[in-house]
Amino acid sequence: QKEVEQNSGPLSVPEGAIASLNCTYSDRGSQSFFWYRQYSGKSPELIMSIYSNGDKEDGRFTAQLNKASQYVSLLIRDSQPSDSATYLCAVNSDYKLSFGAGTTVTVRA
Amino acid sequence: DAGVTQSPTHLIKTRGQQVTLRCSPKSGHDTVSWYQQALGQGPQFIFQYYEEEERQRGNFPDRFSGHQFPNYSSELNVNALLLGDSALYLCASSPEARVPEAFFGQGTRLTVV
Repeated sequence: QKEVEQNSGPLSVPEGAIASLNCTYSDRGSQSFFWYRQYSGKSPELIMSIYSNGDKEDGRFTAQLNKASQYVSLLIRDSQPSDSATYLCAVNSDYKLSFGAGTTVTVRA
Repeated sequence: DAGVTQSPTHLIKTRGQQVTLRCSPKSGHDTVSWYQQALGQGPQFIFQYYEEEERQRGNFPDRFSGHQFPNYSSELNVNALLLGDSALYLCASSPEARVPEAFFGQGTRLTVV
């Protein structure tokens, strides 16, 4: 079983719609969770971090965490063409980050 | 304020050779981690350095080694290169107080031929 699994893509959404990304993890001891955005040919950029159960909103992004279900999600509201990228879920355990394979999102105009 | 900087940006090496990649962390950051990202995959943790010591290591062979200098900069060395070592190598830095919120450099694209 992979440590971090993300819903397979690619995910295509129309401009202005909500993109929903999901992630599950295997280590129940994990305490911190992150979403990174990676444009093609570029390095990952941290866009959200979440440490407690519930929702955390930052602009058009909302991260949701449910530790009992070992589940993290990211919602992108009012999707824009500039949101087209690969989104990586990362989970911290014992100082290291474990990443999922990523979900590629395409926002079509 | 400079972010995390890595050098070189691209590198082509031959199988069996050795390579050294370099990383300067963001100002105020004292912890450096290295990741390998193969095409179409998420980054894989190689190791982390703090206070010039390797604190944590991922599932990588001893061919992968590193070093951290007193100014917190770091090097990643890979010996006896294999074709499978071709990947994007990412350096991430964070302040010890806020590990593991990691900020990545632009990466070094290593191609082994």
